[in-house]
Amino acid sequence: AQKVTQAQTEISVVEKEDVTLDCVYETRDTTYYLFWYKQPPSGELVFLIRRNSFDEQNEISGRYSWNFQKSTSSFNFTITASQVVDSAVYFCALYLVGDDKIIFGKGTRLHILP
Amino acid sequence: KAGVTQTPRYLIKTRGQQVTLSCSPISGHRSVSWYQQTPGQGLQFLFEYFSETQRNKGNFPGRFSGRQFSNSRSEMNVSTLELGDSALYLCASSLQGLAGTDTQYFGPGTRLTVL
Repeated sequence: AQKVTQAQTEISVVEKEDVTLDCVYETRDTTYYLFWYKQPPSGELVFLIRRNSFDEQNEISGRYSWNFQKSTSSFNFTITASQVVDSAVYFCALYLVGDDKIIFGKGTRLHILP
Repeated sequence: KAGVTQTPRYLIKTRGQQVTLSCSPISGHRSVSWYQQTPGQGLQFLFEYFSETQRNKGNFPGRFSGRQFSNSRSEMNVSTLELGDSALYLCASSLQGLAGTDTQYFGPGTRLTVL
């Protein structure tokens, strides 16, 4: 089975707290890509990161960081010192190169409270 | 530079009709991918075009088709519309495509309502 699970449907944190969004994926393919997208209330999707299955290096971009662990099939996303502008729905996605398909998680709605 | 544009932004159709949506990518981008977003099914991938060739296709019936022109603009067509086709249709453009290393840029979407 190939799927992406974002178990956290909705999260609320107070501004300046750190928050981690979980993404667990399932695939037997060895070549794949993982993505994170942000969808703010305006509705327009924003690409955040792409990671291929051969690159397990963690990535940091400002207050955002991603932890890719093939051993646990997880690609988690952490926002440090959250801000109200981080309030959005965040989607994790899996691109299976061999099958030419992309599978999205159901999304995690993040509320940052002032 | 101009972002990804989608036209029309809103559309109302009735069951059985067909519809064509347009996506103009960022200048120089050769990849355009399409997505459907509904409250029930969430985000789903439709297809990706790169230099006028379809490279990837999601699990949608043949009523959903697309094409890409030599200027990289892409159209998506849905024939024999059903109520369940009501959705936000998003497109994204990039230089290298889904398996590339560059950023995808999304358009504002076309909201299709089927009555």
